[in-house]
Amino acid sequence: AQSVAQPEDQVNVAEGNPLTVKCTYSVSGNPYLFWYVQYPNRGLQFLLKYITGDNLVKGSYGFEAEFNKSQTSFHLKKPSALVSDSALYFCAVRDLNSGGYQKVTFGTGTKLQVIP
Amino acid sequence: NAGVTQTPKFQVLKTGQSMTLQCAQDMNHNSMYWYRQDPGMGLRLIYYSASEGTTDKGEVPNGYNVSRLNKREFSLRLESAAPSQTSVYFCASSDGWGYTFGSGTRLTVV
Repeated sequence: AQSVAQPEDQVNVAEGNPLTVKCTYSVSGNPYLFWYVQYPNRGLQFLLKYITGDNLVKGSYGFEAEFNKSQTSFHLKKPSALVSDSALYFCAVRDLNSGGYQKVTFGTGTKLQVIP
Repeated sequence: NAGVTQTPKFQVLKTGQSMTLQCAQDMNHNSMYWYRQDPGMGLRLIYYSASEGTTDKGEVPNGYNVSRLNKREFSLRLESAAPSQTSVYFCASSDGWGYTFGSGTRLTVV
């Protein structure tokens, strides 16, 4: 079975500082990884994805994520946080090699609070 | 460019009442999903439909039923609402590579 862990319920960072939101995953085959963001009272919005290729993936709003196969991690990063980045962030995984229908498993979410 | 549209946005039900949450997508996606979101538990899959004409149970299907009416529409029905079903419900659709979510239905069962 596939799973995703987001070990931090909340991350606080000062505006202008770099931010990292952590994610680790478990799949039996090759992973297909996503990050989504949820602003208050809104649905989830796609940020970025990794399927194959360069381990550093660039996405929307200046975010990027680093895929590390040996550590089974896919941490979300941004060089300089903005107050408007404050939101709930979800990591998700899909096993590319599982047979039959493949669904996506979401993590429990990490609340990012950027402090002015 | 509506994407995924959910109705209603808010609903309050009394225990035992029934209701149907509606979802429609205009992206010609084959797959559609219903999730519930609860604090500290992330998104949990209730039911999904891999393609028109098929539906399958997810992680938490008890107390719910679904109908894939056509390729565009996927409804979620609560036959006899319980307080434990108080949650925010999200519909999503997928082309197999990425998900598009609706804006959610906030349901309170009293």
